[in-house]
Amino acid sequence: EAGVAQSPRYKIIEKRQSVAFWCNPISGHATLYWYQQILGQGPKLLIQFQNNGVVDDSQLPKDRFSAERLKGVDSTLKIQPAKLEDSAVYLCASSQRGAYEQYFGPGTRLTVT
Amino acid sequence: AQTVTQSQPEMSVQEAETVTLSCTYDTSENNYYLFWYKQPPSRQMILVIRQEAYKQQNATENRFSVNFQKAAKSFSLKISDSQLGDTAMYFCAFSGTYKYIFGTGTRLKVLA
Repeated sequence: EAGVAQSPRYKIIEKRQSVAFWCNPISGHATLYWYQQILGQGPKLLIQFQNNGVVDDSQLPKDRFSAERLKGVDSTLKIQPAKLEDSAVYLCASSQRGAYEQYFGPGTRLTVT
Repeated sequence: AQTVTQSQPEMSVQEAETVTLSCTYDTSENNYYLFWYKQPPSRQMILVIRQEAYKQQNATENRFSVNFQKAAKSFSLKISDSQLGDTAMYFCAFSGTYKYIFGTGTRLKVLA
C-alpha cells in the first residue's frame, strides 16, 4: 500500500511570494489533514477535509492560506503572500475516518527569507 | 475544550532500559481515541499505539504499552527494552467527535 505523498520536500521563497504544496493521500482515505509544524512544537491543524468538504479550518489564516481537495482525492495548500513566520514543516495526513489513526506524509519544509 | 498535555519536554534512557512518557488530557466526551505517534529525526510521523476509550484493557504493541486511566484522564506510554531506534519525538494525540489534538511532544533520546 502506497503511503501519503507530498511535494515538494523542500522550498525556499522570499517573503511576499506565493507557494503551493501538494498532497496525495492513501487510496480510499476519506479524511485529509494539513498541519503546520514549527520546529520543536507539535503539529497544529490547519484544515481538515472529509471527502470534498471542509470539516475544520478554524486555525487556517484565511487571509493568506487556502486549501482545496479536488474530487475528494489530492489536495493543495497555498500561501499567498508568505511571511517569515510561515517557515515550518507542512504535514499532510490521511485517515479512513476522522477519528481514526492518521498516516502522515514526509512533509514539506518551507523556509521564508 | 479538549486539551492534551505532555509535561516532559525531554527524556533520556539507557539502551535496554524501560522508560515511561506521560500524557494527560481533558475532555467532556465519553467516547474517543487516544494515540501515541513517533517522529524520528527524518520527520515522518508514524503511529505507535492506539487506545479506544471504551476499552478498559490497556493496548500493547510489542515493546510498547500504555497505561490508560480514564477517570484520571491519563495516558502514558511505556517503552520496554529501549533501542537506539526509539530515539525520536513522541506525541500524544486525542481524537474526539470534533477535534484531533496533538500534545507538544516529548523528545526521547536512547543512550548507548
